[in-house]
Amino acid sequence: DVKVTQSSRYLVKRTGEKVFLECVQDMDHENMFWYRQDPGLGLRLIYFSYDVKMKEKGDIPEGYSVSREKKERFSLILESASTNQTSMYLCASSLDRGGYTFGSGTRLTVV
Amino acid sequence: QKEVEQDPGPLSVPEGAIVSLNCTYSNSAFQYFMWYRQYSRKGPELLMYTYSSGNKEDGRFTAQVDKSSKYISLFIRDSQPSDSATYLCAMTGSGGSNYKLTFGKGTLLTVNP
Repeated sequence: DVKVTQSSRYLVKRTGEKVFLECVQDMDHENMFWYRQDPGLGLRLIYFSYDVKMKEKGDIPEGYSVSREKKERFSLILESASTNQTSMYLCASSLDRGGYTFGSGTRLTVV
Repeated sequence: QKEVEQDPGPLSVPEGAIVSLNCTYSNSAFQYFMWYRQYSRKGPELLMYTYSSGNKEDGRFTAQVDKSSKYISLFIRDSQPSDSATYLCAMTGSGGSNYKLTFGKGTLLTVNP
């Protein structure tokens, strides 16, 4: 089975800090995605990448950036964390339209 | 009109009941349809995947797609307490190369023993 590993399950950061969320997949998938999930708002796409060094903005990219230097790793960066970025962050990867494999999520709290 | 509409529930049923979960969508280009199950504080996991119209069965789960009505369903037979989770529908089209999914907001299901 494909495994998508997110480096942290829970994270607490201070306002203004630069935050790195790491995601690694082990099945050579081209496509990788970062979502945030909030009650009542569902899953919202932040950024995605369909190849190394390629990235595209999703629906809510403001305040975030991403890095994909290697095929298996996709990092989400919060340039200057704010309290409205407190959320559950989910990474996913996919090979084709057969569906995504998600990581377990990182619950980020910004205080 | 939102691209994908899903009743958020919550839906509460007794053990053994048949559960019906539904989504409607507006984009006629959608061709691939999925259902994900998400337990509390976990990431979603792929439950069912169908292409175009028709039915697909896997154990107690049946996924139906009616493209003419832009309506998809997930049926759970003989529901169990372990089925208690949030169920998300998702879909995508056949064009392009980035395979971006559009998700419903999810339906919270509780199966009571």
